[in-house]
Amino acid sequence: KQEVTQIPAALSVPEGENLVLNCSFTDSAIYNLQWFRQDPGKGLTSLLLIQSSQREQTSGRLNASLDKSSGRSTLYIAASQPGDSATYLCAVRHGSGNTGKLIFGQGTTLQVKP
Amino acid sequence: SQTIHQWPATLVQPVGSPLSLECTVEGTSNPNLYWYRQAAGRGLQLLFYSVGIGQISSEVPQNLSASRPQDRQFILSSKKLLLSDSGFYLCAWNNERTGIMNTEAFFGQGTRLTVV
Repeated sequence: KQEVTQIPAALSVPEGENLVLNCSFTDSAIYNLQWFRQDPGKGLTSLLLIQSSQREQTSGRLNASLDKSSGRSTLYIAASQPGDSATYLCAVRHGSGNTGKLIFGQGTTLQVKP
Repeated sequence: SQTIHQWPATLVQPVGSPLSLECTVEGTSNPNLYWYRQAAGRGLQLLFYSVGIGQISSEVPQNLSASRPQDRQFILSSKKLLLSDSGFYLCAWNNERTGIMNTEAFFGQGTRLTVV
């Protein structure tokens, strides 16, 4: 059974710091991995999608890496800003048939202090 | 561009009352549709998914049901709500075809359901 773990559960950093969020999964047979951002009481906003054949994806100050063989992904946020404060969720697309299911981690809640 | 709408945004319902949450997607055709629930401290749990009109798969036994009366409409229902049905319900979609499993998933803004 696929399990996704995110460490740490919460993180507080001063503004301007570079930081890394971690995501690990137990079954390397994934189609892709997706990072999301969730603001309090809101839905999920897709940040980055990494295909199983890729090693990293970049969008602005965000860089996500994927090491499928070791079951790990990291989300690197450069020069953090207070507006980056949110919960970050990683999810792997795992399964067979016509629908791959997204399996989510519990999330890392980030607070960036001005 | 594609958009996904969920309503209502918040809902407070008494135990035993019925439920109907609606999700619609615009700007795409034949999407895969999903209902997730996010309960405090439990992460996101997939409840139902649909690959086409009238095709519903349930992931976990529960007090809820889902229907897809139109290509881009997905409805979550209950005949009698339980306290344990409280949570944050999220609708999602993606476009996938057999053998092509690498597309991005997009989520709605969610419905906060409180059963009292």
